[in-house]
Amino acid sequence: DIQLTQSPSSVSASVGDTVTITCRASQGISNWLAWYQQSPGKPPKVLIYDASTLQRGVPSRFSGSGFGTDFTLTISSLQPEDFTTYFCQQSNSFPLTFGQGTKLEIK
Amino acid sequence: EVLLVESGGGLVQPGGSLRLSCAVSGFSFKFYWMSWVRQAPGKGLEWVANIKQDGSEENYVDSVEGRFTISRDNTKGSLYLQMDRLRAEDTAVYYCAREDSFCSGNNCYSRKFFDSWGQGTLVTVSS
Repeated sequence: DIQLTQSPSSVSASVGDTVTITCRASQGISNWLAWYQQSPGKPPKVLIYDASTLQRGVPSRFSGSGFGTDFTLTISSLQPEDFTTYFCQQSNSFPLTFGQGTKLEIK
Repeated sequence: EVLLVESGGGLVQPGGSLRLSCAVSGFSFKFYWMSWVRQAPGKGLEWVANIKQDGSEENYVDSVEGRFTISRDNTKGSLYLQMDRLRAEDTAVYYCAREDSFCSGNNCYSRKFFDSWGQGTLVTVSS
């Protein structure tokens, strides 16, 4: 199984800041990586797929990059609604797996 | 509007069974692979199983293989998860999720990420 390790597990920032979250795969997955945002009590929402493609309707302050084993999600000009939890997910092979999550907290 | 609505969750004793349902609307269900994804209380996300458009192929995470069965009824726009021999560690919110797809000619392929989700149904396994 492909393990995904996110770092940090939590991060504090202020409105207007830029934050970067990392996701490392235990083996190469090409660009088969998606990023999700999940607010408390809600289902996840896809932000980015194929490592860097922005899902329709997602604000352009979200961006993704990476290939192989190392990936990043960058959120620029943080807005109040961005302070929640983010997960990465590999779509390279079964079983599909997620990272453990990164909680973005307001400073 | 794409809608996925899960039902069938509840409290069940260890070793018991439960059948989850997911009713969809707002899109052509028969063209999409579908998945179940679960989330234990306060924990991360775990993909459980998926099923091909025509039901001819299924995949499972090892921890549920042989105990859970995914199925679908394209005439009813419904996805199911039969859960047998339930364990305490199966306690979670279970989400029905649509896999994003692209089509080439008459064939549609899953990109294996999830572009639409239901609100989830809670399954609690406890004595």
